[in-house]
Amino acid sequence: ELKVEQNPLFLSMQEGKNYTIYCNYSTTSDRLYWYRQDPGKSLESLFVLLSNGAVKQEGRLMASLDTKARLSTLHITAAVHDLSATYFCAVFTQGAQKLVFGQGTRLTINP
Amino acid sequence: NAGVTQTPKFRILKIGQSMTLQCTQDMNHNYMYWYRQDPGMGLKLIYYSVGAGITDKGEVPNGYNVSRSTTEDFPLRLELAAPSQTSVYFCASSYSKGLGNTIYFGEGSWLTVV
Repeated sequence: ELKVEQNPLFLSMQEGKNYTIYCNYSTTSDRLYWYRQDPGKSLESLFVLLSNGAVKQEGRLMASLDTKARLSTLHITAAVHDLSATYFCAVFTQGAQKLVFGQGTRLTINP
Repeated sequence: NAGVTQTPKFRILKIGQSMTLQCTQDMNHNYMYWYRQDPGMGLKLIYYSVGAGITDKGEVPNGYNVSRSTTEDFPLRLELAAPSQTSVYFCASSYSKGLGNTIYFGEGSWLTVV
């Protein structure tokens, strides 16, 4: 059974600092997603990572994928308050036709 | 382009009542999903469908039923509502062919069972 684990689950950081959120998964995957969720809102797609070594960047967020280690990272550079949200990784397996989510990382960025 | 539309957005049910959460997508996606999200938690898959007439159970199917008579619609039915079904429900859809397809989520349906 596919399991997806994120860490840390809670992260409080200061503006201007860098940090990384980790996403580990237990079985071979076809693709990995990162989503952002603001309180009381739906999920906003950030990145889709398809292959080993894939790296995608959007603004202060950069996501990478290591399929051999079954690990994805979401790196935040020079954090700003607007990035405060909960971030989820989710893994899709073609065989099981399912998207399985991690627990989420609640990120709070303080001025 | 409406994307994924869920109704109702908010609903309060009494224990033992039944209701249907509606989900419609206008992107001709063949894959559709229902998730629930409990407070402070990640999303758990309830049911999913890979095309009209085909449905399958996810991680937490007990107490729910689905049907997929058309490509566009994927309603979720709650039979005999229980307090444990108090949650936020999200419907999602995507294409199946080709990798890298974005999975689109609806705005969510907030359900309280009292």
